[in-house]
Amino acid sequence: GEDVEQSLFLSVREGDSSVINCTYTDSSSTYLYWYKQEPGAGLQLLTYIFSNMDMKQDQRLTVLLNKKDKHLSLRIADTQTGDSAIYFCAGEISNTGKLIFGQGTTLQVKP
Amino acid sequence: DTAVSQTPKYLVTQMGNDKSIKCEQNLGHDTMYWYKQDSKKFLKIMFSYNNKELIINETVPNRFSPKSPDKAHLNLHINSLELGDSAVYFCASSQGSTGDYGYTFGSGTRLTVV
Repeated sequence: GEDVEQSLFLSVREGDSSVINCTYTDSSSTYLYWYKQEPGAGLQLLTYIFSNMDMKQDQRLTVLLNKKDKHLSLRIADTQTGDSAIYFCAGEISNTGKLIFGQGTTLQVKP
Repeated sequence: DTAVSQTPKYLVTQMGNDKSIKCEQNLGHDTMYWYKQDSKKFLKIMFSYNNKELIINETVPNRFSPKSPDKAHLNLHINSLELGDSAVYFCASSQGSTGDYGYTFGSGTRLTVV
């Protein structure tokens, strides 16, 4: 079945760029997503990328997709303390509506 | 105006009790889900309903029974609660397949079984 993996922790200084990485196994995923979870809150959709795209930019967020290596990354430019949260990547198992999530990467931003 | 709302936000109960969690969405979506997030933050799908019809039923104990009275509501009833049921339960909704918008999540129900 689909498996999605992420590194568990990333620490950066305020103003630096953050890069969160994700690998997945199901190459038939049509969409791949990045969600953000702040403490005590639900998951908020940050951005997504369609599988026929290599890159998508949305303000401070850049998503890169390498389909050959089944690798997805999220770059946050000019990281702020408010970006501290857990970031989840997720892939949809084709035509099922079922999202499979990675374990989440805790991003710690130091002032 | 909350898009996906769950009640209660916190639930503390004793082993063996039966409890329900309610979820409502006002987005007009036709598909709703229940996810369980464990203490290590791992999210796993439990159930999915499309227009009141059960379409995803993962390997979940029979003690968990979802009910969807209409496409805007999806409730989760848990019988004979066990310590291992302690987790955060998230309700979510989407329009058909996840498409461009992914899921919209509720803020979660933290269930603690003592």
